[in-house]
Amino acid sequence: GEDVEQSLFLSVREGDSSVINCTYTDSSSTYLYWYKQEPGAGLQLLTYIFSNMDMKQDQRLTVLLNKKDKHLSLRIADTQTGDSAIYFCAESLSGGYNKLIFGAGTRLAVHP
Amino acid sequence: NAGVTQTPKFRVLKTGQSMTLLCAQDMNHEYMYWYRQDPGMGLRLIHYSVGEGTTAKGEVPDGYNVSRLKKQNFLLGLESAAPSQTSVYFCASSSAGGGYTFGSGTRLTVV
Repeated sequence: GEDVEQSLFLSVREGDSSVINCTYTDSSSTYLYWYKQEPGAGLQLLTYIFSNMDMKQDQRLTVLLNKKDKHLSLRIADTQTGDSAIYFCAESLSGGYNKLIFGAGTRLAVHP
Repeated sequence: NAGVTQTPKFRVLKTGQSMTLLCAQDMNHEYMYWYRQDPGMGLRLIHYSVGEGTTAKGEVPDGYNVSRLKKQNFLLGLESAAPSQTSVYFCASSSAGGGYTFGSGTRLTVV
């Protein structure tokens, strides 16, 4: 079935790199997304990667995609306290109505 | 450019009461969605719409109804609220094949 899995919690020291991992099940996914949710707010699109790419870099963010293992990761370089949030991985499914399947979210805590 | 606007932001209902949550988008998106977010369960799709006048059930539709009379608006109704419907509700919209733009959420408590 359709499922996206993420670890629930990650704690890092300010200035270090954070790596948030995600696995998905549908090999026909066309796009994979990372969303950020700050406390009391909605989900904000951070970045996305097309399924025929291996890597995408956008300033401090690096997305790596291993299609063979259906594994997606988000690396945040030089993590700051403002990066503390919940990060959701989502896969889009081909066909139908632009359906996105979301993971349960990884809570990133950044400490001094 | 407001994006996706949800009203109200907070609401407390008594069991059995009804209410309507309003979602409005100004991006001319065809697709709109209603999700609920509960601790540890991520986002679960309640209903969605692929265009004006159309609606469809998502993963957890029971106890909710929706309408999409105008392209820019997507309404979520609770006819008889239950404590199990205490949640944070998010509306989102997208173009075909595009990422979702989310509203800021409605926090609903049913007592």
